[in-house]
Amino acid sequence: AQTVTQSQPEMSVQEAETVTLSCTYDTSESDYYLFWYKQPPSRQMILVIRQEAYKQQNATENRFSVNFQKAAKSFSLKISDSQLGDAAMYFCAYRSGNYGGSQGNLIFGKGTKLSVKP
Amino acid sequence: DAGVIQSPRHEVTEMGQEVTLRCKPISGHDYLFWYRQTMMRGLELLIYFNNNVPIDDSGMPEDRFSAKMPNASFSTLKIQPSEPRDSAVYFCASSRRETQYFGPGTRLLVL
Repeated sequence: AQTVTQSQPEMSVQEAETVTLSCTYDTSESDYYLFWYKQPPSRQMILVIRQEAYKQQNATENRFSVNFQKAAKSFSLKISDSQLGDAAMYFCAYRSGNYGGSQGNLIFGKGTKLSVKP
Repeated sequence: DAGVIQSPRHEVTEMGQEVTLRCKPISGHDYLFWYRQTMMRGLELLIYFNNNVPIDDSGMPEDRFSAKMPNASFSTLKIQPSEPRDSAVYFCASSRRETQYFGPGTRLLVL
């Protein structure tokens, strides 16, 4: 079974600085997808970024980028120029690349709570 | 697109009452998921549907929980009878392929 581990329960960053959130996963599959979701105090789950395992290029969305190391099964999220609105819980998630049977669900890590200091 | 719509946003009820949570997925999406989030257990997948058919309901805690998807535009999650330990935020999410988009959630409090 696949697992997702976020080893940092809490992180803190100064406004305008850069922070990296860690995520590792375990799988025997070669085709899969990885995601980072953000959950601010409003509780809304917001998609931040996604990565296809077959793509070597790291995904980037504005100030958010990932460092995807497939061999190491590592998928970290880098937030540049941190803003107060980035304060939230961040969840790393895995999805199988298979579409049959019960493969469709996301497997979540336990989350990292990010605080941004003004 | 309006995104995934959930109702109600907040629900307070008494133990033993029936609770029905509703979800409208994004148009064109063929997967629909129900999750529950608590401080103790984090995010849990309860059930998901593909083309209105339940695919995996192994996360449904017990017979008090039931979910239906009568058509591509609507799903319900029902708890009968409700108990205080059911208090949580319930999320609905939908996807067309691999990327899930979440609704705002329903915050349920069972007294």
